[in-house]
Amino acid sequence: GESVGLHLPTLSVQEGDNSIINCAYSNSASDYFIWYKQESGKGPQFIIDIRSNMDKRQGQRVTVLLNKTVKHLSLQIAATQPGDSAVYFCAENLGDSSYKLIFGSGTRLLVRP
Amino acid sequence: DAGVIQSPRHEVTEMGQEVTLRCKPISGHNSLFWYRQTMMRGLELLIYFNNNVPIDDSGMPEDRFSDKMPNASFSTLKIQPSEPRDSAVYFCASSFEGVGGTEAFFGQGTRLTVV
Repeated sequence: GESVGLHLPTLSVQEGDNSIINCAYSNSASDYFIWYKQESGKGPQFIIDIRSNMDKRQGQRVTVLLNKTVKHLSLQIAATQPGDSAVYFCAENLGDSSYKLIFGSGTRLLVRP
Repeated sequence: DAGVIQSPRHEVTEMGQEVTLRCKPISGHNSLFWYRQTMMRGLELLIYFNNNVPIDDSGMPEDRFSDKMPNASFSTLKIQPSEPRDSAVYFCASSFEGVGGTEAFFGQGTRLTVV
């Protein structure tokens, strides 16, 4: 598969540290958000989702925070591991009664051993 | 379930030729999406089907692109004639839509190179 974006913002973290990846979304009517992880040569994989009636949701080692006031979404990864190295995308459902997902431009996470 | 299955994984074709990309969604899913991914534009939604009906094709670049979903288990994306600028990775994704949005599951993609 293709490596996405020579111009992708990159976050470099030390193995074992926590990572925070940020995303600004565009539509104030969006009511559902997803974080995806894309490894080289693969399609995007679901990590965690959150609906607009929540401001925080936790999964295994991951937490998503939603700030609707400033239209901001973040993904926190605890105790980052080498296997977390990938490109991370946020996606929003526009809340227009359709189910289509619009993706952000992505952030590359590099984990240093 | 094997997940979303796309074929071929790689396609190299000459400019002007017809290209057909295929997708088998996850059984039981009622929504299907085609995305195109490039280094410059990221992941772009091309078309979205719900219950085999095209709901939104505003992302389809131009008339050279056509998409069909003859039944719930198969979709094709056709490019005729193909051009070098169509080179990209094309992803198919499916989801089961109930109340509110749900996550889409992606296939492995088809890497298209038009020379």
